[in-house]
Amino acid sequence: DGGITQSPKYLFRKEGQNVTLSCEQNLNHDAMYWYRQDPGQGLRLIYYSQIVNDFQKGDIAEGYSVSREKKESFPLTVTSAQKNPTAFYLCASVKRGTGAGGAEAFFGQGTRLTVV
Amino acid sequence: GQSLEQPSEVTAVEGAIVQINCTYQTSGFYGLSWYQQHDGGAPTFLSYNALDGLEETGRFSSFLSRSDSYGYLLLQELQMKDSASYFCAVKPSGSARQLTFGSGTQLTVLP
Repeated sequence: DGGITQSPKYLFRKEGQNVTLSCEQNLNHDAMYWYRQDPGQGLRLIYYSQIVNDFQKGDIAEGYSVSREKKESFPLTVTSAQKNPTAFYLCASVKRGTGAGGAEAFFGQGTRLTVV
Repeated sequence: GQSLEQPSEVTAVEGAIVQINCTYQTSGFYGLSWYQQHDGGAPTFLSYNALDGLEETGRFSSFLSRSDSYGYLLLQELQMKDSASYFCAVKPSGSARQLTFGSGTQLTVLP
C-alpha cells in the first residue's frame, strides 16, 4: 500500500543537540512539506519542496534545515538554533497538479519531539 | 501572502448539523480544501472545492464562494466520532506553491 511514513513517532533529545526526523513516501508525489503543530494550534509551514534537489523556506524555517536528494525522502533536521523545538512535526506529500489531485495532501502520523 | 480565518471552537449535539466557516485572504488559489484531525493523529483530507458551489460527500459538504472569499464545511447527522479539529487550506497559484492551513476549528459533539 502507498503511503507516507514518519519515524520515529516519539523522540526525546537534550537541549543543544541536533536531531533529524525522517519522512518517506512511496506515492510518487513531487511535492513534500514539513509542518509544526503546537498544542491546540494550527499547522505552520517549516519547509516545502516541489521537486528533487530544490526546497523553499516556509513561515517558520529558522532553526531548521532540510534536504531533498531523492523524490521519496524529505528529512528535517531540528538544529540547536531552534529556540523552542518541542512540538508535533507533520510531514505531507501532494501530487503535482492544479486540480483536486494537487490539493489533497497525504500526511504521515507525525513525530512528537520533546527537548529536555 | 495568504491567511485563513476559522472559529476556534464549535460545540453541537449528536444528530445535529454544524457549519464551520473559513474566510480567507489570498491573491489567487486553485481551490479550498478541508481536513479533519483527531487528537494526536494526522490530518486527513475531507473535500476540495475548485469551483464556487457545494460539493457533497456523504454526511459532509463543502462550499466555496470566491467572490465572498468564503467557504464552509457542513457536517450533518453529527456523530460522537466527528469530534475533532477541522482545517481549511489553500494551495496558492503562482510561484509560491506552499499548502497553507487555517488555524483550525475544534468541534466537540455532545451526547
